[in-house]
Amino acid sequence: EIVLTQSPATLSLSPGERATLSCRASQSVGSFLAWYQQKPGQAPRLLIYDASNRATGIPARFSGSGSGTDFTLTISSVEPEDFAVYYCQQRSNWPPSITFGQGTRLEIK
Amino acid sequence: QVQLQQSGPGLVKPSQTLSLTCAISGDSVSSNSAAWNWIRQSPSRGLEWLGRTLYRSKWYNDYAVSVKSRITINPDTSKNQFSLQLNSVTPEDTAVYYCARGDIAVAGTGLDYWGQGTLVTVSS
Repeated sequence: EIVLTQSPATLSLSPGERATLSCRASQSVGSFLAWYQQKPGQAPRLLIYDASNRATGIPARFSGSGSGTDFTLTISSVEPEDFAVYYCQQRSNWPPSITFGQGTRLEIK
Repeated sequence: QVQLQQSGPGLVKPSQTLSLTCAISGDSVSSNSAAWNWIRQSPSRGLEWLGRTLYRSKWYNDYAVSVKSRITINPDTSKNQFSLQLNSVTPEDTAVYYCARGDIAVAGTGLDYWGQGTLVTVSS
């Protein structure tokens, strides 16, 4: 099973600062990586799919990059509504499976 | 707009079967590009994918190794929904359960629509 490791566990920033979140895979996942935002009491919300494509309705301040084993989610200028937990997720074709990282909490400094 | 509406009991006794349903609107369970997933979330296990059902000229099911011996996911084309059954539950199966759509045509790797979540507690 492919393991996804996210860092840091917690990121403390002020609104307007740049956020850089990392996700490392235990083996190559190509570009089969997605990012989600989750707020308390809500389901995860898809932000980025296939490493760098923004999902429908996602603001341009969110961007994704990387391939293989190292991926980054960047928020260019953090807005107050962006404070949440962020997860990465990979999809394997064989055997078919999906795994998630353990999450990075973005908190207000 | 796709919507997923979950239903099912919030309390299940140990050794019994957990059963949840996810009703789909705005898409079809028989879609040739979508996959219909169940995921759960708990403080101890984080987000855990359980399995999926998908139609590609015939029906396929894929299950996580961790639950493969206990899980069944079934599509219901007459009601445009899919279900989760997890047998022989223990307190470790206590979690928030989500259904979610993955559609390679519009969201590649990602799961773009999610149900509202159902907290299922396993307790006597």
